[in-house]
Amino acid sequence: SQTIHQWPATLVQPVGSPLSLECTVEGTSNPNLYWYRQAAGRGLQLLFYSVGIGQISSEVPQNLSASRPQDRQFILSSKKLLLSDSGFYLCAWSPQGHLSYEQYFGPGTRLTVT
Amino acid sequence: AQSVTQPDIHITVSEGASLELRCNYSYGATPYLFWYVQSPGQGLQLLLKYFSGDTLVQGIKGFEAEFKRSQSSFNLRKPSVHWSDAAEYFCAVGAYGSARQLTFGSGTQLTVLP
Repeated sequence: SQTIHQWPATLVQPVGSPLSLECTVEGTSNPNLYWYRQAAGRGLQLLFYSVGIGQISSEVPQNLSASRPQDRQFILSSKKLLLSDSGFYLCAWSPQGHLSYEQYFGPGTRLTVT
Repeated sequence: AQSVTQPDIHITVSEGASLELRCNYSYGATPYLFWYVQSPGQGLQLLLKYFSGDTLVQGIKGFEAEFKRSQSSFNLRKPSVHWSDAAEYFCAVGAYGSARQLTFGSGTQLTVLP
C-alpha cells in the first residue's frame, strides 16, 4: 500500500531564516505531487504541483519554491522566511494516468515563524 | 474556473442526531467531487468520491453524499453522528488537466455535543 511521509512534524523558525520541508511517497511510481498551505481557520491553498521529476508548477507567487529531485520526493523551500509563511503545510499525491482525481494527504508540518 | 462553496462555517449537532453538510460547486463539465475530513493537527482523509453513475455514494465511517446536478450540490450526510465525527470537513472538485488539481471549499467545522 502507499504511504506518504512529511517531516518535520513541527518547526519554529525565526524571520529571515531558511526553510526546507520534505515529503516522500512510498508504494507508487511517478505520482503527481502537491504542496498546500492551510492558514489558521482557512481552507487549503495550492502552492505547487509536480507531474514529474524536475517539473514544478507554481500556483501562487511568493518567496517559497519547490523541487522534485527524485520521483517520490518533493521539497518545499525558502531562502528567507516571512511571518506570513506561518501555517500548516500539507503534501499530497495522486496517481498518474489514472481516471480518479483523488489526492492522498500526508500528516502535515506545522510551521511557526517568529 | 471551478469553485466550491461550503456555506456553513460551523455546525453543532448533538450526538446521535443526523447531519447534513452543504457543498455547492461551479464547474463547466461533469465534476469529480470529493469530501475530506481533517482532525485537529492532522492531514486530510478521503471520506468519499463521485465520478459518475449512481448519484448517491457511500463512504467510510458511515457517511454518504448525494450529487444533484440540477442544484450543483454534493451534500454530505450521516444518519447518526458520533462524538468522534467532530472535525473539519472539506468539499473539493476536480479540475481537468494533467495534474488533476483539486479546488477545495473553505471547510465546515463540526462540533458534536454529548
